[in-house]
Formats: sequence, C-alpha cells, structure tokens
Amino acid sequence: DSGVTQTPKHLITATGQRVTLRCSPRSGDLSVYWYQQSLDQGLQFLIHYYNGEERAKGNILERFSAQQFPDLHSELNLSSLELGDSALYFCASSVEDSTSGANVLTFGAGSRLTVL
Amino acid sequence: LAKTTQPISMDSYEGQEVNITCSHNNIATNDYITWYQQFPSQGPRFIIQGYKTKVTNEVASLFIPADRKSSTLSLPRVSLSDTAVYYCLVGDIGFGNEKLTFGTGTRLTIIP
Repeated sequence: DSGVTQTPKHLITATGQRVTLRCSPRSGDLSVYWYQQSLDQGLQFLIHYYNGEERAKGNILERFSAQQFPDLHSELNLSSLELGDSALYFCASSVEDSTSGANVLTFGAGSRLTVL
Repeated sequence: LAKTTQPISMDSYEGQEVNITCSHNNIATNDYITWYQQFPSQGPRFIIQGYKTKVTNEVASLFIPADRKSSTLSLPRVSLSDTAVYYCLVGDIGFGNEKLTFGTGTRLTIIP
C-alpha cells in the first residue's frame, strides 16, 4: 500500500457525461500530481498541485479541471467525455528518498475510466 | 526537464543480470535520475534514485558515469516477476521540475 488513495477504482460512463476522480495523498504530503495513461501509452502528466495551489500544467484538456482542497485531497473533473478519454488516471504525491534526499513520486493504484 | 531515451523493449532469461540504459544528454546540474517500475494496470513504483557514480539498494543498482549524460539500471538475477515496464525519469521535483514527464519506458520481458 503506497498510502496514496484513489477512488473510484473503476468507472464506466457514456460519452458527454462528467465524472470526478478523487485522490488523497500520503499523510503529510502536500503535493498531488495527476497523470493519464491510455492503453499501451506512456504516462502523460496532466497537472500538479502543491498545498492547494496549482504549480504546473501539462497536456491537460480544457474539458478537464482539477483542484486541491484544504485537507490536501484532490479531485480531477472530466467533462464532455469522449471515447478517447478512456484511460487509467493516476495520482501521485511526493516523498523524500532516504538515500538521496531528493523527492520521488509515490503513485496510487489508479482509477480506470471507460467511456462507452 | 531533461528528455530521456530508452530502448523500447528487452528480453532476458530468468537468473540473468539485466542492464537497461537511459540517455539524458541535456541533464541539468540539479537533476537526479530516478527509475520506476510499472506492472500492468498498476501505478509506477519507485525503484532507485541517484545523482552520480553508483547507488545500490535491495532490488537494483544504478550506475551513472561522470558526465551524467546516461545511466544504467542493473537488475541482478531477474525472475519472471520482474517482467514490467521500466521508466527513467530525470529531474527533481524539489527544484521546480513539477512537469515530471515520463518517457515511453522499456518493456522488459523475462523468459523462463
């Protein structure tokens, strides 16, 4: 168990609909990163929040939005869903590596979204 | 963030040592090199991280030459359970590299 919690694990919905994915980072971690991984594709960085503030945006569509709340959990909102949005969505928080002292990402188990 | 290049796929037999090399020619002074392992339908898992020379932990070793333009992940005596995709990531989120972008990774297949 990585300590990063994502819900729901699976979600099936129809085109045009809107869904919300939720992530709770490890206790004490202030950062949340969202990634999208389509079938047989690499991990695409979407967005990063730190202590409630947006720090960086990747290739996130305008139909997608995210926020981080005061309790540090984060939500990724996907609207006007298309078939191509079907993917695994991962959330990660950052922890310090005990050997190097630098930060590394710890990922949750992911939310699998299927758009029909 | 330094762009990385890795082999797309590799095959190895059980019990062999596997070395996966990653090229990162434009690595910055403050960048660390981090390797992650991903099994199907699971989130990536941290394997090892280093800045220079050699780092070893209970699962792998990481070799980094003096110019730091490449790195090699070494997995000793692999087993079938090591079949996964391995990602090399260069940067350090503690130094403003928040756009942590993964490459395509190396798909390692272990053959019985």
